[in-house]
Amino acid sequence: GESVGLHLPTLSVQEGDNSIINCAYSNSASDYFIWYKQESGKGPQFIIDIRSNMDKRQGQRVTVLLNKTVKHLSLQIAATQPGDSAVYFCAERTGANSKLTFGKGITLSVRP
Amino acid sequence: DAGITQSPRHKVTETGTPVTLRCHQTENHRYMYWYRQDPGHGLRLIHYSYGVKDTDKGEVSDGYSVSRSKTEDFLLTLESATSSQTSVYFCAISVEQGNQPQHFGDGTRLSIL
Repeated sequence: GESVGLHLPTLSVQEGDNSIINCAYSNSASDYFIWYKQESGKGPQFIIDIRSNMDKRQGQRVTVLLNKTVKHLSLQIAATQPGDSAVYFCAERTGANSKLTFGKGITLSVRP
Repeated sequence: DAGITQSPRHKVTETGTPVTLRCHQTENHRYMYWYRQDPGHGLRLIHYSYGVKDTDKGEVSDGYSVSRSKTEDFLLTLESATSSQTSVYFCAISVEQGNQPQHFGDGTRLSIL
């Protein structure tokens, strides 16, 4: 079964607001996490990653937070824009040389 | 964008016919992967390769075979397609396995009637 999941299937936000997309993982041994964005008709696009020795990592307008205590990963998008509308999903790796396990995805819809 | 090209982008075929999907990369990455993406499921790994002629099974490998005769090409073959193999197929590449992000192609939409 899935070991990576997302709390909400859809998220609607106002343009300009901040978005927070959440992901719960079940395996405490997971040590590497990735967020992907997927637009309609396209392949998943890498956004940001984080290793388990970190709690936070920032990119351009995005921040990933990792809470290992509760096995929770979140993606924060600042000043959400219409171009951010897409499906977002997280992926985790459990142990060295393990493959990635992907969550099902959540749709982010940005209201103008 | 990572230099990954999948072909064909769309294909419709009949049950029982053989189908081959191609993934071509220009990044010289060691690892290549084939996934399928279906509603209600996350991406599921079919097969992967860790070098020329080196391949291994993923979680949904039944009914699929792969070959990698050159670093840049990874082929996925459905020997006798079934309707349950209707899906969107994605190829991905990575420098290392698991500790570096995988980068994806834009997929092949395969319909088996």
